Amino acid sequence: DTGVSQDPRHKITKRGQNVTFRCDPISEHNRLYWYRQTLGQGPEFLTYFQNEAQLEKSRLLSDRFSAERPKGSFSTLEIQRTEQGDSAMYLCASSFGQHGNTIYFGEGSWLTVV
Amino acid sequence: DAKTTQPPSMDCAEGRAANLPCNHSTISGNEYVYWYRQIHSQGPQYIIHGLKNNETNEMASLIITEDRKSSTLILPHATLRDTAVYYCIVSLGGSQGNLIFGKGTKLSVKP
Repeated sequence: DTGVSQDPRHKITKRGQNVTFRCDPISEHNRLYWYRQTLGQGPEFLTYFQNEAQLEKSRLLSDRFSAERPKGSFSTLEIQRTEQGDSAMYLCASSFGQHGNTIYFGEGSWLTVV
Repeated sequence: DAKTTQPPSMDCAEGRAANLPCNHSTISGNEYVYWYRQIHSQGPQYIIHGLKNNETNEMASLIITEDRKSSTLILPHATLRDTAVYYCIVSLGGSQGNLIFGKGTKLSVKP
């Protein structure tokens, strides 16, 4: 499968624990995006990278959230001191950074904070 | 806020064409119209996109009005597996930092 890959697909954690999600984009895509989606809502933008540079962060990305893309390939999204409100699906997407190109999404990582 | 307006829900009979409308009256000249769909608990799936001309691929057709203020996604022969939430998004595509999703249209295909 050459699509966007996310791991783990499901994570249950206790409140206060740290969690990390990994995303492997489509090969050679230089842009990588993170979104969050809660039940009944559309995906909401969190942040995006061009190569290894993080170019934009949403106000939704609190200081407990950190995203990295150290070598411009895979990316990680870490949530520290998780709260129940962090329960959501975390979506990764990738694209070429050119006008009119398509952004492709992965299957998402479900987080449940208990 | 999303730059598009879609009906919250629609029904379609299996085997018939599903026509999903979208209004985007404030679209800029260089913005594309993208359509994605999301089946329950899965990531959004790209369907089709266009700038000015009508587009067709193996999944669907996209009809964009001449003034580009609205568009229609057509699924020519809907099946039960097409039941999903369909999102219409205006965007520059890969050169834009993010996609702004609205609430989409919940399409229910019925036998």
